[in-house]
Amino acid sequence: AQTVTQSQPEMSVQEAETVTLSCTYDTSESDYYLFWYKQPPSRQMILVIRQEAYKQQNATENRFSVNFQKAAKSFSLKISDSQLGDAAMYFCAYRGYMEYGNKLVFGAGTILRVKS
Amino acid sequence: ETGVTQTPRHLVMGMTNKKSLKCEQHLGHNAMYWYKQSAKKPLELMFVYSLEERVENNSVPSRFSPECPNSSHLFLHLHTLQPEDSALYLCASSQGITSGGWFFGPGTRLTVL
Repeated sequence: AQTVTQSQPEMSVQEAETVTLSCTYDTSESDYYLFWYKQPPSRQMILVIRQEAYKQQNATENRFSVNFQKAAKSFSLKISDSQLGDAAMYFCAYRGYMEYGNKLVFGAGTILRVKS
Repeated sequence: ETGVTQTPRHLVMGMTNKKSLKCEQHLGHNAMYWYKQSAKKPLELMFVYSLEERVENNSVPSRFSPECPNSSHLFLHLHTLQPEDSALYLCASSQGITSGGWFFGPGTRLTVL
């Protein structure tokens, strides 16, 4: 079974600084998707960024980028120029590639606090 | 209305009540999901519906009963709940094999007294 581990329960970053959130996962599959979701206090889960495992190039989305290390099964999220609105719970998630309705497996989450 | 919507946003019920949570997706997706989010626990997948058929049921107690009448609507019928069922219930949808991302609704905050 696939598992996702986020070893940092909580992180803090100064506004305008850069922060990296860690995620590791375990799988025997070769093709899969990885995601970072943001859950602000409003509780709405928002997709931040996604990565297809077959792509070597790291995904980027404006101030958000990932460091995907397939061999190490590591998928960290870097937030540049942090803003107060980035404060939220961040979840790393895994999904297999081929099956209909395949489940999204989540990590336990990392609370990100942004200091002004 | 766009995206994934859930109603009600907040629900307080007694252990003997019967209530239903509703989820609607306006994205043309063919798979829908119920997740439970409890404090200090990872999100737990409860049910998966693909093409309106239940494809996964993760050992959820029978007091939770899902219903998927069509590809746009998903219900979670609740009866005889326990206080430990109090949680945020999130609905999500995706577009099957080719989907990269899932889209979540805002959730229903359920409190069982």
